[in-house]
Amino acid sequence: GAVVSQHPSWVICKSGTSVKIECRSLDFQATTMFWYRQFPKQSLMLMATSNEGSKATYEQGVEKDKFLINHASLTLSTLTVTSAHPEDSSFYICSAPTGQMNTEAFFGQGTRLTVV
Amino acid sequence: GNSVTQMEGPVTLSEEAFLTINCTYTATGYPSLFWYVQYPGEGLQLLLKATKADDKGSNKGFEATYRKETTSFHLEKGSVQVSDSAVYFCALSDPTGAGSYQLTFGKGTKLSVIP
Repeated sequence: GAVVSQHPSWVICKSGTSVKIECRSLDFQATTMFWYRQFPKQSLMLMATSNEGSKATYEQGVEKDKFLINHASLTLSTLTVTSAHPEDSSFYICSAPTGQMNTEAFFGQGTRLTVV
Repeated sequence: GNSVTQMEGPVTLSEEAFLTINCTYTATGYPSLFWYVQYPGEGLQLLLKATKADDKGSNKGFEATYRKETTSFHLEKGSVQVSDSAVYFCALSDPTGAGSYQLTFGKGTKLSVIP
């Protein structure tokens, strides 16, 4: 099946620094990718929709200047957490739709971000 | 808007017990329905899906039937194993416009299977 690779799988950074997370579709092209955030023991919260060749669409309450999304190519989307703070510590997951009529979504393995 | 409601956990079962995780949905259109599984520290994996009413999705002994009349997609397995311990998410897709796709998730149900 389709593969979505997310990197890094975990990262620890200092407060005030920026962290970039990559999401790649390895064997298919994805004009759209989704970024989710998952808090402990909670469901996935959609943060934004990444669109190749255009600006990302952010969900209400998500700071676009803090969570920068760039869809550089048909196989790569990046999420940069800028000026990270401890409250940004979370599990971030990307997904890409594929299949006929985009009826399937494949997920990256997730990135555990810890801001100290 | 769309929503997914699934039974709250955690659910603890003994090995070889029967599993049911209830899931109901609200959608304006004709969604596809999914069950995803998340093992500790990992991303989500598609477990099974159904794209239209009365379809039955099945995989690894798990089954779920798309019931439009009850707007449900309950997950079942006849005999669980310790390796089934994970968090299970019910989800629906609602294609809204050309080339658009978005998943709405339930809150997840944590399953623990004890030997």
